[in-house]
Formats: sequence, C-alpha cells, structure tokens
Amino acid sequence: EVRLVQSGGGLVQPGGSLRLSCAASGFTFNEYGMNWVRQAPGKGLEWVSYITSLSSSVYYSDSVKGRFIISRDNDRNSLFLQMDTLRVEDTAVYYCARGNTAFGVWGAGTTVTVSS
Amino acid sequence: DIQMTQSPSSVSASIGDRVTITCRASQDISTWLVWYQQKPGKAPDLLIYRASSLQTGVPPRFSGSGSGAEFTLTISSLLPEDVAIYYCQQVNSFPRTFGQGTKVEIK
Repeated sequence: EVRLVQSGGGLVQPGGSLRLSCAASGFTFNEYGMNWVRQAPGKGLEWVSYITSLSSSVYYSDSVKGRFIISRDNDRNSLFLQMDTLRVEDTAVYYCARGNTAFGVWGAGTTVTVSS
Repeated sequence: DIQMTQSPSSVSASIGDRVTITCRASQDISTWLVWYQQKPGKAPDLLIYRASSLQTGVPPRFSGSGSGAEFTLTISSLLPEDVAIYYCQQVNSFPRTFGQGTKVEIK
C-alpha cells in the first residue's frame, strides 16, 4: 500500500522552530518529487515547497522563502520540512504530497500552531 | 506568479444535477491543470490531471476540459458523496498555485 505518514507538528511560540517529517512506503521514493502543502484553519490550500527526486532542485513559496528548508533522505524514504522563525500566520495543517505535475498521494496532515 | 480564480465560490444543487465549476488562470498554462476534491477533515484527493485525464479509480461522472487559461470541472450527475470542496491547481510553473476552492453542497 502506498502511504505517507507524517509526524512532527505541535505548538510553538512565534520565532520558534519545528521540523516536520513524512515517511514514505509502498513505492520507490527516489523516483518522485515531493511537496509540502498547507491549509490554514478554514482556508484553502497553499503550496509551500517542492524538492526533486534526487534533491537537485528545490522551490519555495514567497511566504516561506528564507525561513523554511525542504530536504529528503532517500535511504530512509523520508521527506522533511525545517521551519524556522515561525510566525502566527504559519499556523496550518501541513500535508506532504507526492508528485510534480499532479499530487497523487497525500499524507494525512500534521497540525502546526504558532502562538504565544 | 500565476493566479488561479475559481467560480462559483459555492454551489448548491440537487441530487442528479449537472454541476460545472470554472477555473481561470492569469496566463496561458496549456493543459497543466489539476483538480482535487477535499472532504471535511481529510487530505485532498486527485481527480483530474493534465486538464482532462481522469485519475485511476475516480468515477466517470467527473470530467475536466479546457486549455490555455480557462478550464472546467463537471460532475455529470451529483451524488451525496460528492459534497466537498474542489480546488484547481496550475502545475505549469513554480509556485504551484491553487484556486480558492468551490464548495459543492446538496440542495
């Protein structure tokens, strides 16, 4: 079964840091680009970041550029999002998603709350 | 950045009705357009890719069309399980922008 299992969310104060993880199984992880997508409470979907299959290229939304870093470990079939200098407006459910031109597999999401 | 605009923002229709959702891009994206369905409390599901290709396992009452800057998602005969929010997304360039979503409800 193709699965993406997420972990690492939680409550953090403004200015703090958090690292999200996404563990893949059931497919050849190193053949796929991977994304992070977030959804603020009651709002729509916002693409956050993308990394190519072999980590040769990464892309970010303007809203997180310079604060978030996407990475992956193909030996451990895992995707990561290091989130620094967190802001209240980063509060959201964060999803990992597989694919480049269509996001065909999604994790269940992990909640990040930035509040003092 | 490419802006994606969906209309309507919400639609209420009866069981068996045909429902059409429109998505407009701020520039030509060829057929690099994807549709997702999101039910409450769940992650989105891929419905349509490359504007008109049905994802495996998606019922054929869903269809997509369009190219360039204007696209449509059609549900040919609305069922109760289709109640959800539908999002379009352009995958022509980065950032991969989404439309604001269209909420589909039963009348």
